[in-house]
Amino acid sequence: TQLLEQSPQFLSIQEGENLTVYCNSSSVFSSLQWYRQEPGEGPVLLVTVVTGGEVKKLKRLTFQFGDARKDSSLHITAAQPGDTGLYLCAASGTSYGKLTFGQGTILTVHP
Amino acid sequence: NAGVTQTPKFRVLKTGQSMTLLCAQDMNHEYMYWYRQDPGMGLRLIHYSVGEGTTAKGEVPDGYNVSRLKKQNFLLGLESAAPSQTSVYFCASSNEGLAGGPEFFGPGTRLTVL
Repeated sequence: TQLLEQSPQFLSIQEGENLTVYCNSSSVFSSLQWYRQEPGEGPVLLVTVVTGGEVKKLKRLTFQFGDARKDSSLHITAAQPGDTGLYLCAASGTSYGKLTFGQGTILTVHP
Repeated sequence: NAGVTQTPKFRVLKTGQSMTLLCAQDMNHEYMYWYRQDPGMGLRLIHYSVGEGTTAKGEVPDGYNVSRLKKQNFLLGLESAAPSQTSVYFCASSNEGLAGGPEFFGPGTRLTVL
């Protein structure tokens, strides 16, 4: 079983601060996804990265896939209260049907 | 487009009872998935389907059965519910295989087994 470790598990910051969430594994992945989930709702797909070293930007969010395709990071610039939620990374290896989710990072942005 | 819908939203069962969770998507997606989400465990794949009439086991399939008789519907059944199946269940769909990950999730079904 491929394991994904997310850190930190909890993050509480003030509006305007920057933050980075990490997703690490000892396994190589063919692709990695980041999702955001709000209480009482299903996860919403933010981005998919497939190429080692790939960087994608979504407004104030920057996603990076490690060169070796074993890790990824999510950086948020000037966080806003609307960014509050559970951030999940998920990755797939070579076996079909084996998408693995990390445990998630709970982000709280205070006004 | 309604996206991915799930019924019911909440359900309480007694141990040993059976029930079926219904998932429907109106995006003509080939791939559909059932996940469960538990505190500290993240999302775990129960079963998935790559097309109408096909199903396959995921990470935690025991105690569950599924059917995909129509492309737009994916049913998850619990034949004899156990307290360990208390969880939040999410259905998802996508147009690509799991290499691209599930694209759209439903709002979830919160199931409690007493």
